[in-house]
Amino acid sequence: DTAVSQTPKYLVTQMGNDKSIKCEQNLGHDTMYWYKQDSKKFLKIMFSYNNKELIINETVPNRFSPKSPDKAHLNLHINSLELGDSAVYFCASSPTEDTEAFFGQGTRLTVV
Amino acid sequence: SQQGEEDPQALSIQEGENATMNCSYKTSINNLQWYRQNSGRGLVHLILIRSNEREKHSGRLRVTLDTSKKSSSLLITASRAADTASYFCATERTGANNLFFGTGTRLTVIP
Repeated sequence: DTAVSQTPKYLVTQMGNDKSIKCEQNLGHDTMYWYKQDSKKFLKIMFSYNNKELIINETVPNRFSPKSPDKAHLNLHINSLELGDSAVYFCASSPTEDTEAFFGQGTRLTVV
Repeated sequence: SQQGEEDPQALSIQEGENATMNCSYKTSINNLQWYRQNSGRGLVHLILIRSNEREKHSGRLRVTLDTSKKSSSLLITASRAADTASYFCATERTGANNLFFGTGTRLTVIP
């Protein structure tokens, strides 16, 4: 069974569109994350979220917003997509601080 | 900015040789973790070493941590072609529960 799953795996869309990437974890973890990996393979935290607190990396444009309908899901909504948003987006979860994170397989977003 | 820097950026070795990758970071940490990423895939956790630990082993992996130098190393012994991947160090900063990743080392093991 997949522990952290993301959909879609690939997403190609035009500039200006609004899109969502879904993430689900079946591990019962309290905290979920979104990371962005750019074309140079740099990985940066975008958001971390548990049922108490949303922490946003201040460099993330407000066109990006996480939505958590429940503890097992953290979806990423992106408004007015730009060319520079093209990247691979990874969802992850962890049970608590000071433990390993489990990553999804990533969503390759291409904005044309 | 990136939390950590890794070197080398790329490493190519023969099967059976050992591979050593280094990671440096800048702030106080709870732990340091190493992850592997195969091409086009997600990240897989390899090993976690806490700030009060100096060395940890897992199978063919050996990780060291020197908090005074803010550095860590990952040693893969008796490498295999299947070890070909990118390896990232990531730190969990004191007071934060997300990870800050290094720049990664691309390891190629030649059969």
